[in-house]
Amino acid sequence: EVQLVESGGALVQPGGSLRLSCAASGFTFSDHYMDWVRQAPGKGLEWVGRSRNKAKSYTTEYAASVKGRITISRDDSKSSLYLQMDSLKTEDTAVYYCARISSGSNTHFDYWGQGTLVTVSS
Amino acid sequence: DIQMTQSPSSLSASVGDRVTITCRASQNIRTYLNWYQQKSGKAPKLLIYAASTLQSGVPSRFSGSGYGTDFTLTISSLQPEDFATYSCLQSYTAVWAFGQGTKVEIK
Repeated sequence: EVQLVESGGALVQPGGSLRLSCAASGFTFSDHYMDWVRQAPGKGLEWVGRSRNKAKSYTTEYAASVKGRITISRDDSKSSLYLQMDSLKTEDTAVYYCARISSGSNTHFDYWGQGTLVTVSS
Repeated sequence: DIQMTQSPSSLSASVGDRVTITCRASQNIRTYLNWYQQKSGKAPKLLIYAASTLQSGVPSRFSGSGYGTDFTLTISSLQPEDFATYSCLQSYTAVWAFGQGTKVEIK
């Protein structure tokens, strides 16, 4: 059974940093692109960024709203995805989901984690 | 970046109603369009991918259509468990984007 479990969400002050983790199981993690998606309270889903697989040299993509403040990385040996967030702003407050991209077509998310809440507030 | 515009932002409907939600892309995305259902406090669930392909296990009352810039999600006969928020997602470019969501509420 595919499982994605996020962790690391917390209350952090504006300007602070936080690292989220996503532990994957039930599939060959190294085969898949993996993304982060967030959802601010009462708002819609927002794509945050991507880590491609080894075959694509672990390249990354980021949304314009977070580019320069976040870094996505992965450790295939631990089947884990990470989201390092720096210079946090109040508008970064959201539930952060990790999501698996379907292999082969790489065109849609087929599995999601349950999310972890990040609150940026003084 | 491609912008996705969904309409309506919310709607009220009754059980048994036919419901249609539209999603418009700011440029041609061919059929790189997916639909997700999200219930309160839960992660999104894939309904439709590649504009019209039903995800395994999703009821056949859900269908998708469209090409290029205009797409539609249709629920042929709304069921009680379908009251939720529906979001489109374009995956044509390296930077993906969601529509703002459509909340389907009980009339």
